[in-house]
Order: sequence, then structure tokens, then C-alpha cells
Amino acid sequence: AAGVIQSPRHLIKEKRETATLKCYPIPRHDTVYWYQQGPGQDPQFLISFYEKMQSDKGSIPDRFSAQQFSDYHSELNMSSLELGDSALYFCASSLGRYQETQYFGPGTRLLVL
Amino acid sequence: AQKITQTQPGMFVQEKEAVTLDCTYDTSDPSYGLFWYKQPSSGEMIFLIYQGSYDQQNATEGRYSLNFQKARKSANLVISASQLGDSAMYFCAMREEYSSASKIIFGSGTRLSIRP
Repeated sequence: AAGVIQSPRHLIKEKRETATLKCYPIPRHDTVYWYQQGPGQDPQFLISFYEKMQSDKGSIPDRFSAQQFSDYHSELNMSSLELGDSALYFCASSLGRYQETQYFGPGTRLLVL
Repeated sequence: AQKITQTQPGMFVQEKEAVTLDCTYDTSDPSYGLFWYKQPSSGEMIFLIYQGSYDQQNATEGRYSLNFQKARKSANLVISASQLGDSAMYFCAMREEYSSASKIIFGSGTRLSIRP
């Protein structure tokens, strides 16, 4: 079965640079979620989109923005990167906003130097 | 206050034994869902099992079962006949229907190591 696709899988950036992470949900899934998992920590919810509209917002820094496009893929844009942004970024998708199961992608590992 | 509490930071279990990973939760929502995810060292987050707050029976998925005790607010994961490939970090998580809408809240995880 098709899974959530994230690209790139690994990314190395310098401080103050920008980064764009992409997420392609499972086909027919209309809801996308972004999570950030710091080293040795549990994932923290950043933001979610349902039918191309932002539906929930968590602990997403103002330096980050995200959107969901007409084909339901989503992009997380990160600007003015800081060392503390180094983390594993997960995208998850579900069919419907309140469906019980969110399926996670493999994650993008971001390292800020 | 912690929404999801996993009190076992690490566990060692002999291969083929059953193992129970503890999870307690805290919510005032009448409707919520409980999840277990597995995260191997490679980093991906693998969905294992789901239990809805109104489900009458405990959820089961192959070797995984969820021991749901609603009055005690616990949702322990039971893995039967453990295998070496079960070595991973296990996260208990919750989604609240009204308070937190779509986001999932994770516990701090339990690192399970299976001994051959």
C-alpha cells in the first residue's frame, strides 16, 4: 500500500538559511499534519491542514510557515534557521480531519550547523 | 499536567516472552482515541494499534493488543511472543475529540530491547 512520502529525507543547512520540506499524503487522504521531534524527545505537533485550509496550529515558530496545495501535498517552509531547529520532521496524513489514525511518513532529518 | 504518561523509560525482555508497556492518560474529553506507535532506530513512526474511548472491546492487531481500562485511564500495550525486531522506542499517544481536535499528543516513550 502507498505510504506518506517526505522529501528530502536528510537535509543539512547553515544557521539563518531557509529550508523547504515536502510531504505527499497517502492517495485520497485530505488531511496533513506536521510534527517536530527533537533528539531524545517525543514528537510535538506543529500544524495541520484539512482540504487545503489550516485546521489546527500547535507550537510552530513564527519563522515557519506551511500550506497544503490543490493536490493535497504540503510544504513546510522554515526560515532563519537556528541550531535548535535540528530535528526529525514528520508529516502524517489521514482521511478526514477527525479520523482516528494518522499515518506517518519516514520523516526528514534536518541538521542545522 | 502530563496528558500521556509512560513510566518505563526502558525495558529489557527475553525473546519469545510477552511484554506489557504501560501508559496512562489524562483527559476530560468524553471522546478520545488512544494510539501506540513504534519507532525503530531508523526513525520512522509506525502505527501499531488504535483504541477509541467508546469501543467496548480491547483492540487487537496480530501480536499487539491494547489493554484498555477506561476507569483507570490506562491503555497498556501488550506484545505477545516478542521478537528481536520488536526492539524499538514505543510511544503511547492520544487525540482528544474536542480539546485538541486533530493533533496527536505523545508520551515520552519506552525503549524496548529484546534479548536473544
